[in-house]
Amino acid sequence: EDKVVQSPLSLVVHEGDTVTLNCSYEVTNFRSLLWYKQEKKAPTFLFMLTSSGIEKKSGRLSSILDKKELFSILNITATQTGDSAVYLCAVEHQVSGYALNFGKGTSLLVTP
Amino acid sequence: KAGVTQTPRYLIKTRGQQVTLSCSPISGHRSVSWYQQTPGQGLQFLFEYFSETQRNKGNFPGRFSGRQFSNSRSEMNVSTLELGDSALYLCASSLVQGSKETQYFGPGTRLLVL
Repeated sequence: EDKVVQSPLSLVVHEGDTVTLNCSYEVTNFRSLLWYKQEKKAPTFLFMLTSSGIEKKSGRLSSILDKKELFSILNITATQTGDSAVYLCAVEHQVSGYALNFGKGTSLLVTP
Repeated sequence: KAGVTQTPRYLIKTRGQQVTLSCSPISGHRSVSWYQQTPGQGLQFLFEYFSETQRNKGNFPGRFSGRQFSNSRSEMNVSTLELGDSALYLCASSLVQGSKETQYFGPGTRLLVL
């Protein structure tokens, strides 16, 4: 059965801390892994990863994929209260066409 | 440029009824995807439409259907509503089929089934 598992489910940190969010997956016909940030309603796209070992960076956020061990991490350095959100990992894979399987998300709370 | 719009924003229905949700993509976007988000199951992919044709489909029963019009607007229909259909339904549009990097989500329609 295809699945995407995120850990931890929730996390509380202080401003300035560095956090690492994990995403492991088991899918057939993997195409890409995506990270999203969801604050109030609509998720916003962060990264798309297709190749192992190539880090993608955007400001204080970075992510990397390991296709051998079937996992990805999302790092956030020097966290700010505005980083508080649910972070979603999704894996795109081919079924009949391309489907997206989402993890349950990691709820991050950054306290002042 | 206006974002993805979804109507209605909130909806209350009773079991057995049917419901139609609407999504207007960003101007120029031709791909529309639908997702269901519940506290228990998280975010789940329903289907994707491109050029008025369903291109991809998630693992949902036939009660969930959709269509796309020539102006790229899309509707999603759920028939014979069940309590478990209560969820936030998100629509996302992208410029090309299957593109996740250029995919933008709408604010969602929150459906409550009583």
